[in-house]
Amino acid sequence: GENVEQHPSTLSVQEGDSAVIKCTYSDSASNYFPWYKQELGKRPQLIIDIRSNVGEKKDQRIAVTLNKTAKHFSLHITETQPEDSAVYFCAASLPGTASKLTFGTGTRLQVTL
Amino acid sequence: DTAVSQTPKYLVTQMGNDKSIKCEQNLGHDTMYWYKQDSKKFLKIMFSYNNKELIINETVPNRFSPKSPDKAHLNLHINSLELGDSAVYFCASSGTGDQPQHFGDGTRLSIL
Repeated sequence: GENVEQHPSTLSVQEGDSAVIKCTYSDSASNYFPWYKQELGKRPQLIIDIRSNVGEKKDQRIAVTLNKTAKHFSLHITETQPEDSAVYFCAASLPGTASKLTFGTGTRLQVTL
Repeated sequence: DTAVSQTPKYLVTQMGNDKSIKCEQNLGHDTMYWYKQDSKKFLKIMFSYNNKELIINETVPNRFSPKSPDKAHLNLHINSLELGDSAVYFCASSGTGDQPQHFGDGTRLSIL
C-alpha cells in the first residue's frame, strides 16, 4: 500500500517569513495530492491540492509543487501570518472509485510575532 | 448549512458498551468515508462507501460496522468498546473518484 512521510514534524517561523513542508510517497501510481490544515479541536480543511499531470499550483500565499520522478511534493506558505498556525497534513491517493487518502504524520506550524 | 454533519460531537462511555455515530452530508456527493484520528493526530481511513456500496474496508476490528442507508448518510456502529477505541472519528464526503474530501467536525469518543 501507499506510504507517505512528512517533514518536519514541527516548524516555527516568524511572521512574514516563508514556511515549507515536504512529503514523499512510495507508490508511483498515486495521482492526487491534497493538503489539509487542521486547527486545534477543528476538522481538517482542504487548502490546496494537485494532480499528477501538474507540476505546480498556486493560490494566493499558498503553493504546492510535485516532483513525480522523485515522488515528493511540498507545500509553500509565503508571508506567514499568526492565523496560519495549525497542523498541516499532506496526503496521497491512488486512482479509484473513492479517493483512498494516505495521510502524512502532520506538521505543527507555529507562526510567532 | 453544515455540509457534513456528525452526531454526537462528544461521546463518553464505558468499556464494553455499544455506541453509534451518525453522519449526513448535503453536498450531493456519492462517496462517504470514516477516518480515525488518534491521540498523536494520525489520520487513518477506516471505511468508504460509494452510492451505498462498501468500497474501502481497511484493517479494522469487526467490532466496527459501517452502514449507509442512502448516499447522503453513513453511520458507524461500534460494539464492545475498548480503551484503544478512544479517538476522534471524522466523517468525510467527496464526489466519485479523486475528488476533494470535505470533513465533518468530528466525534470525540472517550472510553472510561
